[in-house]
Amino acid sequence: DADVTQTPRNRITKTGKRIMLECSQTKGHDRMYWYRQDPGLGLRLIYYSFDVKDINKGEISDGYSVSRQAQAKFSLSLESAIPNQTALYFCATSDPGTSDTQYFGPGTRLTVL
Amino acid sequence: GENVEQHPSTLSVQEGDSAVIKCTYSDSASNYFPWYKQELGKGPQLIIDIRSNVGEKKDQRIAVTLNKTAKHFSLHITETQPEDSAVYFCAASSSGGGANFGNEKLTFGTGTRLTIIP
Repeated sequence: DADVTQTPRNRITKTGKRIMLECSQTKGHDRMYWYRQDPGLGLRLIYYSFDVKDINKGEISDGYSVSRQAQAKFSLSLESAIPNQTALYFCATSDPGTSDTQYFGPGTRLTVL
Repeated sequence: GENVEQHPSTLSVQEGDSAVIKCTYSDSASNYFPWYKQELGKGPQLIIDIRSNVGEKKDQRIAVTLNKTAKHFSLHITETQPEDSAVYFCAASSSGGGANFGNEKLTFGTGTRLTIIP
């Protein structure tokens, strides 16, 4: 969905480096999410945010941190990247006042060498 | 927590035939079951969803059925077309209750790669 953008789209980094993945949305939604997708494992929730002041851990938050800088921006950080964090990362948004639909960005492919 | 199993992992069908993808869930409190379609190089997109107070829902060529007793739900695609080729994910969630909680915490299945053979 073009209303949810992610940068960068691709990133190759080395073990131990700090990495930040960024997500921006123009949908005006309060809820934002970060997911990780691995082959054969589907999508797993890393963190989710109800609004700027409310951030919650998901299923697999260890090794990750997030920052909700504004309603429209939600960043995911890997403080010290490791090879098993190589995956496809998706940001999503939702507006539960309207529906339960989550709107996904195009994804960031991260490779940790 | 919730566990969602999805089968098959890959599915090939002739164009025009029907495709069925099945999911089971473990948490009897789950009450919302969406299906997402992911095309190559894109993020998942909702195609249909169903709530626990409904047994079946249809939208043109796609339908979803839910059996709460058996804790399984299925996606049915009829008259398949080449553009139906994609990875499909089922998911389940339960409302947390209260004014501030909805179906935010989705547990996804592992995905089905559907290929339509022309």
